[in-house]
Order: sequence, then C-alpha cells, then structure tokens
Amino acid sequence: SQTIHQWPATLVQPVGSPLSLECTVEGTSNPNLYWYRQAAGRGLQLLFYSVGIGQISSEVPQNLSASRPQDRQFILSSKKLLLSDSGFYLCAWRAGHTTPYEQYFGPGTRLTVT
Amino acid sequence: AQSVTQLGSHVSVSEGALVLLRCNYSSSVPPYLFWYVQYPNQGLQLLLKYTTGATLVKGINGFEAEFKKSETSFHLTKPSAHMSDAAEYFCAVSDVSGSRLTFGEGTQLTVNP
Repeated sequence: SQTIHQWPATLVQPVGSPLSLECTVEGTSNPNLYWYRQAAGRGLQLLFYSVGIGQISSEVPQNLSASRPQDRQFILSSKKLLLSDSGFYLCAWRAGHTTPYEQYFGPGTRLTVT
Repeated sequence: AQSVTQLGSHVSVSEGALVLLRCNYSSSVPPYLFWYVQYPNQGLQLLLKYTTGATLVKGINGFEAEFKKSETSFHLTKPSAHMSDAAEYFCAVSDVSGSRLTFGEGTQLTVNP
C-alpha cells in the first residue's frame, strides 16, 4: 500500500531564515505531487504541483519554491521566511495518469515563523 | 474554471442527530467530486468520491453523499452523529485533466453531547 511522509512535524523558525520541508511517497511510481498551505482558519491553498521529476507548476507567486529531485520526493523551500509564511503545510499525491483523481494527504508540517 | 461553495462555515448538531453538510459546485464538464475530513493537526482523509455511475455514494464512518446534477450539489449526510465526527470537512471538485482539486473553504462540525 501507499504511504506518504512529511517532516518535520513541527517547526519554529525566525523571520529571514531558510526553510526546507520534505515529502516522500512510498508504494507508487510516477505520482503527481502537491504542496498546499492552510493558514489559521482558512481553507487549502495550492502552492505547487508536479507531474514528474524536475517539472514544477507554481500556483501562487511568493517567496517559496519547490523541487522534485526524485520521482517520489517533493521539497518545499524558502531562502528567507516571512511572518506570513506561518501555517500548516500539507503534501499530497495522486496516481499519475489514471483516474480516479483523488489526492492522498500526508500528516502535515506546522510552521511558525517568529 | 471549477469552484466549490460550502454553505455554513460552522455546523453544530447534537449527538445522534442528522448531519447535513452542504456543497455546491460549478463546473463546465461532468465533475469528479470528493469529500475529505480533517481532524485537528492532521492531514486530510478521503471520506468518499463521486466519479461516474450511481449518484448516491457511500463512504467511510457511515457518511454518504448524493450527486444532484440539476442542483449542482453534493451534500454530505450521516443519519446519526457521533462525538468522534467532530472535525472539519472539505468538499472538492477535480478539474478536467484531474491534475488539480479545487477545495471549498471547509465546514467545522461540532457535535454536542
């Protein structure tokens, strides 16, 4: 069966510091991968998605970036964090080229920028 | 472009009462529709999905949803609420390619003893 991992689970970082969040998926190949953010009391905002190694689509212009160095690894980064980057970050995957289209979510990373 | 509207950001019911969470969608093509549940500080868990075929869809934990094309709705129901159902619920619609989901703003369900 498929499993999705995210780490770290929680993170407290000062403004201006760098960020690296990692997501890995097991038990599937060539998945679509997604990064979402949930701000407090808000819905889900799609940040990036990837259909393959090195292929990244950005949904929202901001100081975050994403990379996919391996088939089942997705990384969210920032060079300098802002207070507004605080939130709950969720990684998700779905099967690459076939229906159904549901996405499966990881446990999330709670980021607090101070 | 697809969109999803969840009516009521907060819904409160008594334990044992009917749960009804409303979702209306906008889509230019026959949609794929989903309901997810999120417990505090956890990721989203798929409750159920509508793709094609039977319009009444049964999911986990006793939830079900009915796809009504004429009303562009996909409301989530459960006959009898349990305390463990307290969580946030999200309705979502897939785009044509299936590469992205559009989520509603979520409905926080509170279950009172």
